Amino acid sequence: DGGITQSPKYLFRKEGQNVTLSCEQNLNHDAMYWYRQDPGQGLRLIYYSQIVNDFQKGDIAEGYSVSREKKESFPLTVTSAQKNPTAFYLCASSMGPTWLEQYFGPGTRLTVT
Amino acid sequence: GESVGLHLPTLSVQEGDNSIINCAYSNSASDYFIWYKQESGKGPQFIIDIRSNMDKRQGQRVTVLLNKTVKHLSLQIAATQPGDSAVYFCAEIAGNTPLVFGKGTRLSVIA
Repeated sequence: DGGITQSPKYLFRKEGQNVTLSCEQNLNHDAMYWYRQDPGQGLRLIYYSQIVNDFQKGDIAEGYSVSREKKESFPLTVTSAQKNPTAFYLCASSMGPTWLEQYFGPGTRLTVT
Repeated sequence: GESVGLHLPTLSVQEGDNSIINCAYSNSASDYFIWYKQESGKGPQFIIDIRSNMDKRQGQRVTVLLNKTVKHLSLQIAATQPGDSAVYFCAEIAGNTPLVFGKGTRLSVIA
């Protein structure tokens, strides 16, 4: 099955630790995105990548980092500099360098205590 | 800044009735709108989209209406089913800029 996967589904970390969230897609999509979702809120863009080896900051990039070494993979690192890291993180991908027709992964719920 | 918002945070509907979920937007430059459905603990799923040069678009059991005069978007679900229970988001795009998402409306279907 073609799709976009995120792992793990639930992740727990202690404050002060960096943590990396995985996002993989086998849809041959060029663009990939990371969003953060807080309870009762819409999605906010963290980072996006429209092509391999290139990425741009979204609205709330502070405290996060990404890499795009392979077309299929777009991991997100939540660093200790992120003040409120507990949230639901969603990865998405789209065919071309366009914001349309984004397919979302199942999400990773990160809890930092 | 300009943003997408919703009139109602929650909506309860009797099974079999029609549902109408509303969304207000303020960016007059937005030229494309999307509705997403998000079930609990899952990622959003594309439902239907509409371009700004259209007033109405129909899909399977869903219809999106766009009123550019009052900057209002609505999603109508016909014969609502328990499986329709979810949070529904509208999102807008202006040119080649990132999607802007609304906060969502939670639809609860009463059996």
